[in-house]
Amino acid sequence: DAGVIQSPRHEVTEMGQEVTLRCKPISGHDYLFWYRQTMMRGLELLIYFNNNVPIDDSGMPEDRFSAKMPNASFSTLKIQPSEPRDSAVYFCASSLAGQGSPTGELFFGEGSRLTVL
Amino acid sequence: DQQVKQNSPSLSVQEGRISILNCDYTNSMFDYFLWYKKYPAEGPTFLISISSIKDKNEDGRFTVFLNKSAKHLSLHIVPSQPGDSAVYFCAASAKFSGGYNKLIFGAGTRLAVHP
Repeated sequence: DAGVIQSPRHEVTEMGQEVTLRCKPISGHDYLFWYRQTMMRGLELLIYFNNNVPIDDSGMPEDRFSAKMPNASFSTLKIQPSEPRDSAVYFCASSLAGQGSPTGELFFGEGSRLTVL
Repeated sequence: DQQVKQNSPSLSVQEGRISILNCDYTNSMFDYFLWYKKYPAEGPTFLISISSIKDKNEDGRFTVFLNKSAKHLSLHIVPSQPGDSAVYFCAASAKFSGGYNKLIFGAGTRLAVHP
């Protein structure tokens, strides 16, 4: 079975440009999560969806960040305009149940490494 | 405010010996704890978990210990193998406002197992 699929794997862009990261969760999973990994803070939850509805977006750093889930098989994370401090690896994950519950194992994609110059 | 702390950014262990990775947390509401393992250029994968009603959970070479009074958990790998070399993330879960669980990750510890 295919796991969580993210694209692009690598993105290099210039400050001020719009960046769109894409995610296809595992079929049948009704929770989708966007995480950001940095050296200093580890894995930070940005936002998560349940049945395509945003549940908690308190981790979204600024209004420059937005996320959508138009259907059960696709989500996007957009940064507009991008800044050098947004450089990080962005992970998408999906699960059958809410995160952190005994049945809510998260399945992560391979990540999108973003570099903003 | 880091609620889940992994104070050792790296650990080096000889093959065959025990690896002990530590994690401290500050929120007494956390009731479920997990360890994830991450290889380079891959996403994290679930390794082992423990509920707050237990103090130990074992799965093969991996054992997680929970000390609630000290707000501390540790992951033991015995014996360590070169394939265990990876970044290990500790994570803790609690019900936050809104009624849903939230998973908080630590910054990770890079384990290197050398022959």
